[in-house]
Amino acid sequence: QKEVEQNSGPLSVPEGAIASLNCTYSDRGSQSFFWYRQYSGKSPELIMSIYSNGDKEDGRFTAQLNKASQYVSLLIRDSQPSDSATYLCAVNGYSTLTFGKGTMLLVSP
Amino acid sequence: SAVISQKPSRDICQRGTSLTIQCQVDSQVTMMFWYRQQPGQSLTLIATANQGSEATYESGFVIDKFPISRPNLTFSTLTVSNMSPEDSSIYLCSVERGETDTQYFGPGTRLTVL
Repeated sequence: QKEVEQNSGPLSVPEGAIASLNCTYSDRGSQSFFWYRQYSGKSPELIMSIYSNGDKEDGRFTAQLNKASQYVSLLIRDSQPSDSATYLCAVNGYSTLTFGKGTMLLVSP
Repeated sequence: SAVISQKPSRDICQRGTSLTIQCQVDSQVTMMFWYRQQPGQSLTLIATANQGSEATYESGFVIDKFPISRPNLTFSTLTVSNMSPEDSSIYLCSVERGETDTQYFGPGTRLTVL
C-alpha cells in the first residue's frame, strides 16, 4: 500500500514569511513528485514537479527532494494571503498518482 | 498544460438513480483518469481510461458501480450507478500531458445524493 503523509495543518504564517510544507512517502520506487494547490471548491492546480534529488526553484516556490529520506518539501517565499489554500503532495510510481491528504496553509495579512 | 471541461459542474440526484459525467480535453491524450474527492478528504483514483481498451479500476472500485467509456482520445465519461448518499463527492477527471507523467485536472463535478 503506497502512502503519502502530510501534516493536515492548518499552517499559519504571516504575510511575507516563508511557508514550509512537508511530505513523506512510503514507496522507494517512486520516480515523480508533484505539489498541487487546491483552493476551496476548486480542482487541484499544479504548482511544481520534481524528479531528481535537490532543489528546484520556480518564482517564489522551491521544491526539495531527498529520495534517500523519502521526503519532499515545498517552500513558499514571501507568502501572500492569496497563497492560502490546501497544498497536496502527490507521488507517482508506476503511472498512478498517490495523493497525501493535504496541508492547509493560512497566510494572514 | 491542458484545457479540460467537465459536465455537469454540479448535480443533486436521488438515491438509486445514475449520473453520467463527461470529460472533454482540448487535444488528444493517451491516458485519462477519474478521481473522487469526498468531503474534507484527498483525491482517490477510481480508474484509468485508455482509448481502445477497458478501464483499469483501483482496489475498491468496480465497473458495475462506475462504468467508464473512452470512445476517442479527447473524451471520456464516468457513470455513477445506483447512487447512495455515500457517493456524494467531487468527481474529477485528469489527463497526462507533456513529456513527463504530469497530470492536469478538470474543474470537477460536485455530486450530492439525497
